[in-house]
Amino acid sequence: GQNIDQPTEMTATEGAIVQINCTYQTSGFNGLFWYQQHAGEAPTFLSYNVLDGLEEKGRFSSFLSRSKGYSYLLLKELQMKDSASYLCAPWGATNKLIFGTGTLLAVQP
Amino acid sequence: EAGVTQFPSHSVIEKGQTVTLRCDPISGHDNLYWYRRVMGKEIKFLLHFVKESKQDESGMPNNRFLAERTGGTYSTLKVQPAELEDSGVYFCASSQDSDPYGYTFGSGTRLTVV
Repeated sequence: GQNIDQPTEMTATEGAIVQINCTYQTSGFNGLFWYQQHAGEAPTFLSYNVLDGLEEKGRFSSFLSRSKGYSYLLLKELQMKDSASYLCAPWGATNKLIFGTGTLLAVQP
Repeated sequence: EAGVTQFPSHSVIEKGQTVTLRCDPISGHDNLYWYRRVMGKEIKFLLHFVKESKQDESGMPNNRFLAERTGGTYSTLKVQPAELEDSGVYFCASSQDSDPYGYTFGSGTRLTVV
């Protein structure tokens, strides 16, 4: 079967670091996306991992372990505008994305 | 470059009526996807077009939903007749093959069936 597991909600303080974990089980795997989605808007691309390891892009980094079915998104120097839903989405063999419910991150002053 | 465009952005219809959602993908993207997010649930795949052909329609809930992509450009998703449980946000995305970085979503159509 296919299953994505992320924490439902997280709270962090402005300027801090937060790590959002994701475990997944999918039939077929090409890579894993992280998307950010503000309320009422389209999911926007943050990262795509296909190989094991950490990929850093500015304040955001994403890690993947294919053997463990595990990924995390690391957000540094949090800003108020980072308050949003963060969606972990494995990309399956048929090009379709499989989403979990996402993690709603609240950044507090 | 224009992104993925969806309209309407919002639609409120009565149970039993018909609604047609439209998606214009990024120009040149052969792949077009429909997804849906029902309140409180995850975004779920509905179907995938490659040009005008349905590659995968395994996520379509039932035969009240009809998707078309005539000419391989824009796509429509018609719900007829609409039921209360069809309420949610319908997202469209498009991509080129072998280009995960180009997988782009539209802003969605929020459908409310009352």
